[in-house]
Amino acid sequence: QKEVEQDPGPLSVPEGAIVSLNCTYSNSAFQYFMWYRQYSRKGPELLMYTYSSGNKEDGRFTAQVDKSSKYISLFIRDSQPSDSATYLCAMTFYNQGGKLIFGQGTELSVKP
Amino acid sequence: DVKVTQSSRYLVKRTGEKVFLECVQDMDHENMFWYRQDPGLGLRLIYFSYDVKMKEKGDIPEGYSVSREKKERFSLILESASTNQTSMYLCASSSLEGGNEQFFGPGTRLTVL
Repeated sequence: QKEVEQDPGPLSVPEGAIVSLNCTYSNSAFQYFMWYRQYSRKGPELLMYTYSSGNKEDGRFTAQVDKSSKYISLFIRDSQPSDSATYLCAMTFYNQGGKLIFGQGTELSVKP
Repeated sequence: DVKVTQSSRYLVKRTGEKVFLECVQDMDHENMFWYRQDPGLGLRLIYFSYDVKMKEKGDIPEGYSVSREKKERFSLILESASTNQTSMYLCASSSLEGGNEQFFGPGTRLTVL
């Protein structure tokens, strides 16, 4: 069993839809949770970062963490074609810029 | 503007060749990482380094080595390239004080024939 599981998709939605991306993890020691976005032929970029259970909102994006269920989600409201990318969840134990454990990534396509 | 650069975007090599992938960061970051990315497998950590001349194995170090002689530069070496090392290679760096954000380079698409 992988430490972090993420459905690779691909996921295709119409413009304006609400998108839900999810990861589950097995190690309850993970404390810091991230979502990276990777456009085609580019490196990943940090999109959202959180370290506590609950929701964190940034514009159209909401990151949700449920430590009791070992489950994290990323919601995208009013999705746009420019949101088409691969989304990777990542998590770690410490806040010192060290090793991250990544999910497999979910490929999202938002159709106009 | 933070920047991580990789020496090549695309590289084609023959089986058995020695391959060097170079990564340079201009942010004075302590930590540097090498990943490979394959469809359905996500990012897998090959090696990482917390300081000059220090290196630690990641999840899939077999067939690879690394070198970090200067703080800004982290090299990945394939001693004898094999076809199963055909992949996208991504370099990243992070700061001890910067939380857990890793900054990635654009990647090198390596094909081993």
